Amino acid sequence: DAKTTQPPSMDCAEGRAANLPCNHSTISGNEYVYWYRQIHSQGPQYIIHGLKNNETNEMASLIITEDRKSSTLILPHATLRDTAVYYCIELYGGSQGNLIFGKGTKLSVKP
Amino acid sequence: NAGVTQTPKFQVLKTGQSMTLQCAQDMNHEYMSWYRQDPGMGLRLIHYSVGAGITDQGEVPNGYNVSRSTTEDFPLRLLSAAPSQTSVYFCASSYSTGGLQETQYFGPGTRLLVL
Repeated sequence: DAKTTQPPSMDCAEGRAANLPCNHSTISGNEYVYWYRQIHSQGPQYIIHGLKNNETNEMASLIITEDRKSSTLILPHATLRDTAVYYCIELYGGSQGNLIFGKGTKLSVKP
Repeated sequence: NAGVTQTPKFQVLKTGQSMTLQCAQDMNHEYMSWYRQDPGMGLRLIHYSVGAGITDQGEVPNGYNVSRSTTEDFPLRLLSAAPSQTSVYFCASSYSTGGLQETQYFGPGTRLLVL
């Protein structure tokens, strides 16, 4: 079973920042936090991942709390195309890559 | 690169029929895997492979067989289809087989309906 907790759904206005929270209170020191998203039944798409430090790439920013028990994915300027289910996943660094998906957060970006 | 490709896109089977879902990648990835996704649920791992000739079971392997004779291909076989196997099937691949997990790339999915 997935070890992360996410709200089932969120809304965001187009052009505003979307902040998606994730709780991972049992995360161990060797586990990374990964974010994937799935747009309308397509295959999941990698967004970003991190271990301890905050991370940013062309798609999003990832803010990880100092105690690593929670994190927030930030889409700085959400567009309608960002409407998707977002999955937060813990992954051990040497785990052979077996992602364990929960139900994720359904983000709806509205005009 | 075509990335990860899956065929067919959609398939209808009768209970008891067998079929093979095809997955191929042209990125020279060592790791490949199969997931299924039921309505309103997250993905669940069926089988995975860390390289040619090596396969292992995931969370829900029953009713499915896999083989990995080449780096590029990772077919999933349903030996005797059951209605409970109605689902969307996703194949994925990545570089790493250990250490820091690399990004996984997913195919577009195969939608299977078993009557």
